[in-house]
Amino acid sequence: SQQGEEDPQALSIQEGENATMNCSYKTSINNLQWYRQNSGRGLVHLILIRSNEREKHSGRLRVTLDTSKKSSSLLITASRAADTASYFCATHRGGYNNNDMRFGAGTRLTVKP
Amino acid sequence: EPEVTQTPSHQVTQMGQEVILRCVPISNHLYFYWYRQILGQKVEFLVSFYNNEISEKSEIFDDQFSVERPDGSNFTLKIRSTKLEDSAMYFCASSDRGSGYTFGSGTRLTVV
Repeated sequence: SQQGEEDPQALSIQEGENATMNCSYKTSINNLQWYRQNSGRGLVHLILIRSNEREKHSGRLRVTLDTSKKSSSLLITASRAADTASYFCATHRGGYNNNDMRFGAGTRLTVKP
Repeated sequence: EPEVTQTPSHQVTQMGQEVILRCVPISNHLYFYWYRQILGQKVEFLVSFYNNEISEKSEIFDDQFSVERPDGSNFTLKIRSTKLEDSAMYFCASSDRGSGYTFGSGTRLTVV
């Protein structure tokens, strides 16, 4: 399956701590994307990392990609209570007929104030 | 910032009825998608649409489902005869090639 699989399934930390979520996948990809979803709401695109990139930053987010291990990690530094949400990785194969994206089951992050 | 708009936000329908979920993708995007998320579960791919035709569909997207881009701006998902198990959040998304997807805020479909 192309889908990403995140771990842990749930993560609970104190405000100010860093949160690390991991994602593994099985097939070759064009890019990998991380999304955030507040409970019962839509998906918000956080960051996209292409298969030829190893690391990317956006504000307090840091994403790494290791294509040899078919894995990615999302680090949120100095977490805030407002970061509480589910985080999904999604793999994208790219190409004309493979332009869809497949999601993992997500990591439920709780940041306690 | 451009956004994907979905209507309605919540739809309740009787089992066996047809429903049409509507989406207005970002105007200069080329690829359109429908995903669904059953409550508490993962986001599942249904179908992708490019150049006025389906480019890929999942095993969930059976003959009960269809998509259409009727007028160059709207992108619709039709479920012909709804079942209880079709109850879910349905997300529309659009993208340009190689870019991140922009998702709508979803339509919550409840089949009773």
